[in-house]
Amino acid sequence: GNSVTQMEGPVTLSEEAFLTINCTYTATGYPSLFWYVQYPGEGLQLLLKATKADDKGSNKGFEATYRKETTSFHLEKGSVQVSDSAVYFCALWDGGSNYKLTFGKGTLLTVNP
Amino acid sequence: GAVVSQHPSWVICKSGTSVKIECRSLDFQATTMFWYRQFPKQSLMLMATSNEGSKATYEQGVEKDKFLINHASLTLSTLTVTSAHPEDSSFYICSATTPGQESNYGYTFGSGTRLTVV
Repeated sequence: GNSVTQMEGPVTLSEEAFLTINCTYTATGYPSLFWYVQYPGEGLQLLLKATKADDKGSNKGFEATYRKETTSFHLEKGSVQVSDSAVYFCALWDGGSNYKLTFGKGTLLTVNP
Repeated sequence: GAVVSQHPSWVICKSGTSVKIECRSLDFQATTMFWYRQFPKQSLMLMATSNEGSKATYEQGVEKDKFLINHASLTLSTLTVTSAHPEDSSFYICSATTPGQESNYGYTFGSGTRLTVV
């Protein structure tokens, strides 16, 4: 079956530090990959996505590249802000007709001023 | 962009009563909606998938008689927690998509409902 593995948190950084949250996946076929962000007390928001190998998704200074050879989709940001503090979820859709997303366990990021 | 509205955002109810949570797609037709449950500091647990006009498909271990899902129109799905008990207290989140759009904008999530059963 499909699975998504994220680095375990929590991750605590100082403002302007470099961020990497690792994500690897197992899936059949050619999945679409997503990063979602959840701010405290809220639902999930799509942060970025990539639908095929070597695609780079980017948004709000965050980037992730779909690496088929390493089955990875690591999230990076060059300079984090306090407002980036949230839980980040890596997810995949394998293209199946049930349209289910498979989520990682989430990584809590806290950015201190 | 696609927007999903979920109501209420929080609700407190007495043990034994039922609570209904609504999930509406505001600017697109959602043929498929998903209901998740999220425990504190944990990932999302998919409870069921609902398709407009048909019965919901529940995940293993989810009581269908307790968590009633109705997807009567292309823009509205409801989750009713029947005879709620304190162990049902959780954060419930819906998401919606339309076939063919999964890779375009992913899945759109509601803002969640915090249910507390006392």
